[in-house]
Order: sequence, then C-alpha cells, then structure tokens
Amino acid sequence: GAGVSQSPSNKVTEKGKDVELRCDPISGHTALYWYRQRLGQGLEFLIYFQGNSAPDKSGLPSDRFSAERTGESVSTLTIQRTQQEDSAVYLCASHEGGAGANVLTFGAGSRLTVL
Amino acid sequence: AQKITQTQPGMFVQEKEAVTLDCTYDTSDPSYGLFWYKQPSSGEMIFLIYQGSYDQQNATEGRYSLNFQKARKSANLVISASQLGDSAMYFCAMREDTSTGANSKLTFGKGITLSVRP
Repeated sequence: GAGVSQSPSNKVTEKGKDVELRCDPISGHTALYWYRQRLGQGLEFLIYFQGNSAPDKSGLPSDRFSAERTGESVSTLTIQRTQQEDSAVYLCASHEGGAGANVLTFGAGSRLTVL
Repeated sequence: AQKITQTQPGMFVQEKEAVTLDCTYDTSDPSYGLFWYKQPSSGEMIFLIYQGSYDQQNATEGRYSLNFQKARKSANLVISASQLGDSAMYFCAMREDTSTGANSKLTFGKGITLSVRP
C-alpha cells in the first residue's frame, strides 16, 4: 500500500481482556517497528522486526505483550489481560532496510483505552 | 543512560523568527543516524530531517537545518521563519548501526513542545 496501515484506529476494552492490533507496512519494507505513546509522552520502543532476523524484543514491558510478523508483511501486536496502564496510542512504522538513512514511515496509530 | 536527551520542556517563538530545539545523544558507535520528527496535535509523525554520523555537512531541508556538532554529541534542529503551523511536538531520534552495517532500533527522545505565537 501507499502508507503504513493500522487497525483498529480506536479500541476500547475492559480490563483483563486481550486485544490484537494490526499493522500493514509499506510493501517492500523489510523493517517494522512498534512503539507505544502514552498521552503527552514520548515514543517508547516495543519491538523491531528486520527481515528474517530474530526480532529485537527488548522494549516489551511485560510477558503480556507479544508481537508476530509473517515474513515481510503484516504484524500483529497482542496484549493479554489488559491493564489500565496499557492505555496509549500504539504506533507502527516501517522502512526499507539495507544501507542508507532508512527513514521510518509511521502509521496513524491505534488508540487503546482500557476501562 | 539515556540515548537521546531533550531537556527543553516547552518552547515559544514569535512567528517569522528562528528557533533552535536542542538534542544531545549518547553512543559509542562510530556509525549512527540522527532524525527529527514533528508530531502535530493530530498525532501523525512527520519526518523532517536526517543526519548521518559521517556526513561532512549539516543537513538542510527547506526551513529546517540540523546543527550537528559531533564532538559535543549534539544535533539541534533549527527552524527558520517560524510559521503558526510549526506548533507541534518535536522528537529527536537516533539509530545506531551495528558492526555488520545492519540497522538497530530507532530510539526517541521525550520530545519538545513548540508553540508559535502570532
């Protein structure tokens, strides 16, 4: 696609429920990132996929968070047993990979509200 | 230690004047890239400018320029002729390159809020 697509754009859930957030990167982009942004705060790195390499999961805040990516396409971020502190905008971004600047293109984000 | 430091909590600038947004970084890697992004109230992340660690000249993109001082590990963003539409949150970010040349994750600073006064 022309840009990074994220769904849902808004999700309201009850504490304790599981949620799945989807990211469809730009076609051909080998690198894909997930970030979390709480209200008025900066971007908190969660996970990074680069081609067929093992993902960098160093930013996942707890074992309730997991993410998968099928090849160089869609990625899903799953949050199990959601807590109120999980409320945030979850941003996905991708870039081409390889040499060069590799500027990240961001999606519009998925706003998660945990009641 | 924080990789990217943005300490200015909020900046105000008069329309048509220039403003500098500060960013310092911490890395021991010789190869890295520095980025600035803008996030208006709509929430979208807009790429502004990039500087590679080996670039000899400071990067410029229209009204944006990056004052890159490698020895001081600073990468300040300069916006010339500020416009009302420049009011937004501005994030500095760094990507450290591995010894194999592969990219590693992009780390963001906490951001700076810029308000342009008419």
